[in-house]
Amino acid sequence: NAGVTQTPKFQVLKTGQSMTLQCAQDMNHEYMSWYRQDPGMGLRLIHYSVGAGITDQGEVPNGYNVSRSTTEDFPLRLLSAAPSQTSVYFCASKQGLYNSPLHFGNGTRLTVT
Amino acid sequence: DQQVKQNSPSLSVQEGRISILNCDYTNSMFDYFLWYKKYPAEGPTFLISISSIKDKNEDGRFTVFLNKSAKHLSLHIVPSQPGDSAVYFCAALMDYGGATNKLIFGTGTLLAVQP
Repeated sequence: NAGVTQTPKFQVLKTGQSMTLQCAQDMNHEYMSWYRQDPGMGLRLIHYSVGAGITDQGEVPNGYNVSRSTTEDFPLRLLSAAPSQTSVYFCASKQGLYNSPLHFGNGTRLTVT
Repeated sequence: DQQVKQNSPSLSVQEGRISILNCDYTNSMFDYFLWYKKYPAEGPTFLISISSIKDKNEDGRFTVFLNKSAKHLSLHIVPSQPGDSAVYFCAALMDYGGATNKLIFGTGTLLAVQP
């Protein structure tokens, strides 16, 4: 049972480059989300999706795009990376129930130089 | 503005003693609260939760207390064990209506349990 799988684990980008952080879950969860973790800031919600074809913004959406074409996958796109996007990114999913706990992947550590 | 706050960045306790981690929130519309535990190089894992209609929830060594009037919750770990050493995040949930809900996290508290 893989749960939530994030790739890559580590990535270094130059300013202005683009990339996609991959997230896949095999639990048939309707809800998926992306968080970033920064020192002293905790975990902040970037984007989330309540089902295939439906996405919405979180607390810090600027500079990131998402799409949800399947239940399993929820990729996060950085169109033009900036040093401020250096962070650890976590993907999480949960069942459709309102107060179901989130299941997190192990994160992607991104450095933008 | 930080809607969920954990004012203690770190806490150190002796093995066998009680660990108390605190969390404050500002939005009275939050109606469900969760605690997550995070080890280095891993994602957070769910620990325990509490609904706003309750003031206490217990699961083994872990108990969460909620004081709605003070907008404060706390996580008690008794007895503390070295394996409990991790970062603990408090999180709050609010129903924005329809299918929308967002889990808002605090800044985390690093707990170190000394053998």
